[in-house]
Amino acid sequence: EVQLVESGGGLVKPGGSLRLSCAASGFTFSNAWMNWVRQAPGKGLEWVGRIKSKTDGGTTDYAAPVKGRFTISRDDSKNTLYLQMNSLKTEDTAVYYCTTAGQYYDTSGYRHWGQGTLVTVSS
Amino acid sequence: DIQMTQSPSSLSASVGDRVTITCRASQSISSYLNWYQQKPGKAPKLLIYAASSLQSGVPSRFSGSGSGTDFTLTISSLQPEDFATYYCQQSYITLFTFGPGTKVDIK
Repeated sequence: EVQLVESGGGLVKPGGSLRLSCAASGFTFSNAWMNWVRQAPGKGLEWVGRIKSKTDGGTTDYAAPVKGRFTISRDDSKNTLYLQMNSLKTEDTAVYYCTTAGQYYDTSGYRHWGQGTLVTVSS
Repeated sequence: DIQMTQSPSSLSASVGDRVTITCRASQSISSYLNWYQQKPGKAPKLLIYAASSLQSGVPSRFSGSGSGTDFTLTISSLQPEDFATYYCQQSYITLFTFGPGTKVDIK
């Protein structure tokens, strides 16, 4: 069974930093393209960014609102995905989900989601 | 970036009703369109991928259609567990943007 478990959320002041983790199991993590999606309170889903598998180059892509402030990385030896968030703004307040298509192409939809971790940016 | 719109933004329906939700892309995305269902406090769930392919385990009352810029999600006979918010997502060009969502609630 595929499991994605996020951790690391919490309360942080504007301008601060936070690192989220996503522990994966039940599939070949090293082959999977991994994504972060967020949802502000009472709002819709927002794609944050993606990291490809190392065999596909390991490159990253980011949504405009977080580009230059957020960094996605992966440790395939630990089956773990990370989201380093710097220069946080109040508008970054959201539940952050780790998600993946798993063994399928990324274009075929995100079949697996974590439970989400809440990040609150407030003074 | 590709912009996604959905209509309506919300609707009220009764159990047994046929429900149709529309999603439109700002440019052609071929059939790279996915649909998700989200219930309060839960992660989204993939229902339909590639515009019309039913994800494993999803009831057959859900169906999707369309290509290019216009897509629809249809629930043939609404069940109590279907009251939720539905999102479309384009997976044609990175960033894989989502639509704003359609909330389906009880009439």
